[in-house]
Amino acid sequence: GENVEQHPSTLSVQEGDSAVIKCTYSDSASNYFPWYKQELGKRPQLIIDIRSNVGEKKDQRIAVTLNKTAKHFSLHITETQPEDSAVYFCALETGANNLFFGTGTRLTVIP
Amino acid sequence: DAMVIQNPRYQVTQFGKPVTLSCSQTLNHNVMYWYQQKSSQAPKLLFHYYDKDFNNEADTPDNFQSRRPNTSFCFLDIRSPGLGDAAMYLCATSRAGSQPQHFGDGTRLSIL
Repeated sequence: GENVEQHPSTLSVQEGDSAVIKCTYSDSASNYFPWYKQELGKRPQLIIDIRSNVGEKKDQRIAVTLNKTAKHFSLHITETQPEDSAVYFCALETGANNLFFGTGTRLTVIP
Repeated sequence: DAMVIQNPRYQVTQFGKPVTLSCSQTLNHNVMYWYQQKSSQAPKLLFHYYDKDFNNEADTPDNFQSRRPNTSFCFLDIRSPGLGDAAMYLCATSRAGSQPQHFGDGTRLSIL
């Protein structure tokens, strides 16, 4: 089965600093890599995604980079704000329509 | 407006008593998924429907079954809930072919 390692498991940053979360995977056939944000007691929400034909994608303060050769992809959040505090999950598509999630990173932004 | 709606938000059932969770969508998406999420863990896919085609994950217990009577609705049936089945159950939908999944708010299931 697919193996997705997500690091770090917890991350604390000062407000305004950047946060980086990295995921590595083993299935070279994966072509779709979304990131989800989940606040306590709420649904996972897609914040950004990237496909294998693109190396980087940016949406305001959030960016994702993908290195297919090295089989890793990373989430970058700049100018962090307290409302960015949540659990972030990387995911990748392992087969037709199937998502496999990473283990999650609990991000705390300290005001 | 909520596009993936799960009912109820909270469900309490007794050990061994069958329970059904429901999910409906207004997005007209082909694919509907059921995930189980335990505390401090990632969502784990139980199964999904691509239109009417049912796809079960290999490690999903036989205790869990699903029905999709039409495009809009999907149900999760737990035939004989055990204490280990207490979790958040999330429904999601997507278009086919590497498309974003949209999640409902989930149903938190407790077993007495």
